[in-house]
Amino acid sequence: EPEVTQTPSHQVTQMGQEVILRCVPISNHLYFYWYRQILGQKVEFLVSFYNNEISEKSEIFDDQFSVERPDGSNFTLKIRSTKLEDSAMYFCASSDGTGELFFGEGSRLTVL
Amino acid sequence: AQSVTQPDIHITVSEGASLELRCNYSYGATPYLFWYVQSPGQGLQLLLKYFSGDTLVQGIKGFEAEFKRSQSSFNLRKPSVHWSDAAEYFCAGVNTGGFKTIFGAGTRLFVKA
Repeated sequence: EPEVTQTPSHQVTQMGQEVILRCVPISNHLYFYWYRQILGQKVEFLVSFYNNEISEKSEIFDDQFSVERPDGSNFTLKIRSTKLEDSAMYFCASSDGTGELFFGEGSRLTVL
Repeated sequence: AQSVTQPDIHITVSEGASLELRCNYSYGATPYLFWYVQSPGQGLQLLLKYFSGDTLVQGIKGFEAEFKRSQSSFNLRKPSVHWSDAAEYFCAGVNTGGFKTIFGAGTRLFVKA
């Protein structure tokens, strides 16, 4: 069964460092998303991406965040200068446009 | 503003007992609705979805949910809970044609022997 894969599964970084989280969506999907889940809290929408541009973003997704689809398979989330409060599980998801999201296993980011 | 509300932060049921997890939504029009399950340290797995049509939808692992427009609810049910059902359950909604799926705060299910 096709699945969304995310790397790394866990990354530890120092405050102020740049982090790139990578995702390989399901191959025939055209809609891509990043969500964040701070430990013990709800799943929060960050950004959606379609047709090589951001289609919607939340207030969390400020200037320190960016997304890119550098090639035909990867979808990345970059955090330019990490803060302590960026520590969370980051989930990538993809969709074929029906509304159903297919999630990866997540990348846990720990900012020290 | 669009929202999805899960009023129960956690629920404890005995193994073999029935389960109902509540979900209410607030959207201008009927959204697509979903239930996801998350086991500790894992990603989110879709249990079931409602787009239109039959208001009682069947999902995986013996779960079902009923869409009630009059109550703006989409409650998840299971007739007999198994210990392996212990997890966090998230209700979610998205506008038709929209890009932003909104999740409820989640309900953590504990199953006691």
